[in-house]
Amino acid sequence: DGGITQSPKYLFRKEGQNVTLSCEQNLNHDAMYWYRQDPGQGLRLIYYSQIVNDFQKGDIAEGYSVSREKKESFPLTVTSAQKNPTAFYLCASRTRTGRSHYGYTFGSGTRLTVV
Amino acid sequence: AQKVTQAQTEISVVEKEDVTLDCVYETRDTTYYLFWYKQPPSGELVFLIRRNSFDEQNEISGRYSWNFQKSTSSFNFTITASQVVDSAVYFCALSWGTGFQKLVFGTGTRLLVSP
Repeated sequence: DGGITQSPKYLFRKEGQNVTLSCEQNLNHDAMYWYRQDPGQGLRLIYYSQIVNDFQKGDIAEGYSVSREKKESFPLTVTSAQKNPTAFYLCASRTRTGRSHYGYTFGSGTRLTVV
Repeated sequence: AQKVTQAQTEISVVEKEDVTLDCVYETRDTTYYLFWYKQPPSGELVFLIRRNSFDEQNEISGRYSWNFQKSTSSFNFTITASQVVDSAVYFCALSWGTGFQKLVFGTGTRLLVSP
């Protein structure tokens, strides 16, 4: 079945370290997204990519970086510059063309904790 | 600016009660999509409904119904005869603009259904 795979499910990071969260989709979707979820704040957009080798900053991009070398993959790196990285991270994708479906498919998330 | 407001932070009901989750949105665009997602304790977002701005018909799906009113910029969600399995966080979201590239979420409403 098609879907989005995020790994790992739980991740612990020491302060000052970079860490990369994986997001892979086999839906043949063009667009991919990273959201951060904090308690009581809903989901906030970090980065998004509409096509391979192109991506745009979302509302809270500082301290994060991404790459989109393949259509299926959109990894997120949480750098040491991110002051408060402990959060739940969700990856999403959607098809870019056509008006038949503008719904988003979400992964099951990665819970990152700084120790 | 585009914005989604879910004023109810948490709602507690007893099984079989009806419950309505409120959603108010702001956008200057005339073409937009509204969504509801369910987030169970496991963390993934489950798509419930998508509604475009030109379709104000109310929709019913089993115990779920949605009331879209452009005059009040609201897209409310009602669960009839609630069940314990309905316990989750529910998010309302808005997508707008060319290609509907971005999705902005409300802060979510936590629904607790007790037996």
